[in-house]
Amino acid sequence: GAVVSQHPSRVICKSGTSVKIECRSLDFQATTMFWYRQFPKKSLMLMATSNEGSKATYEQGVEKDKFLINHASLTLSTLTVTSAHPEDSSFYICSVRGLAVSYEQYFGPGTRLTVT
Amino acid sequence: DAKTTQPPSMDCAEGRAANLPCNHSTISGNEYVYWYRQIHSQGPQYIIHGLKNNETNEMASLIITEDRKSSTLILPHATLRDTAVYYCIVRVDTGRRALTFGSGTRLQVQP
Repeated sequence: GAVVSQHPSRVICKSGTSVKIECRSLDFQATTMFWYRQFPKKSLMLMATSNEGSKATYEQGVEKDKFLINHASLTLSTLTVTSAHPEDSSFYICSVRGLAVSYEQYFGPGTRLTVT
Repeated sequence: DAKTTQPPSMDCAEGRAANLPCNHSTISGNEYVYWYRQIHSQGPQYIIHGLKNNETNEMASLIITEDRKSSTLILPHATLRDTAVYYCIVRVDTGRRALTFGSGTRLQVQP
């Protein structure tokens, strides 16, 4: 399967600051990447769909000005949590879909964000 | 996408087969059954998928009933490393939209 990396794997930041999470598709070009959030003992919730070269599509209830997504190239998408609050503490996971029609989504290892 | 129902948790003895059920009674003809798993603090991992025939790969077997209203994921010889949350997902095979995860089944493999 495809290799997807995320950086950082863990980050701690103070309330009010911003933090950027990178998602890279290492072995194929991804026109579409997805960002999920997962709270403890809960399932993954889709936040947004990131399309290369265009604006991201956000799910209902996800603030686009708070969770900035940039899909600048076919191998990199970034999620920036702006003015972070403790309730933004969560596990953030990205996923990629390749150029060809593919039934498989490949997931990154996740980023644990803790806002103090 | 059709709704799926899975038991919240299951236990399995190490070395024995783990059989994880999934109900998807509203599945439509063009929807596939996918299984993913998520080991603690990791991203989900694809396991297997199928339409109506039984499928097997190096990780698991997928048994789909003839009416396609339910399926079973079989891990033939469970190990401690198979302890994870297993998600059964039903969707059409276009790959365009993101996978939608339910609550899954938390499988605990006991030594």
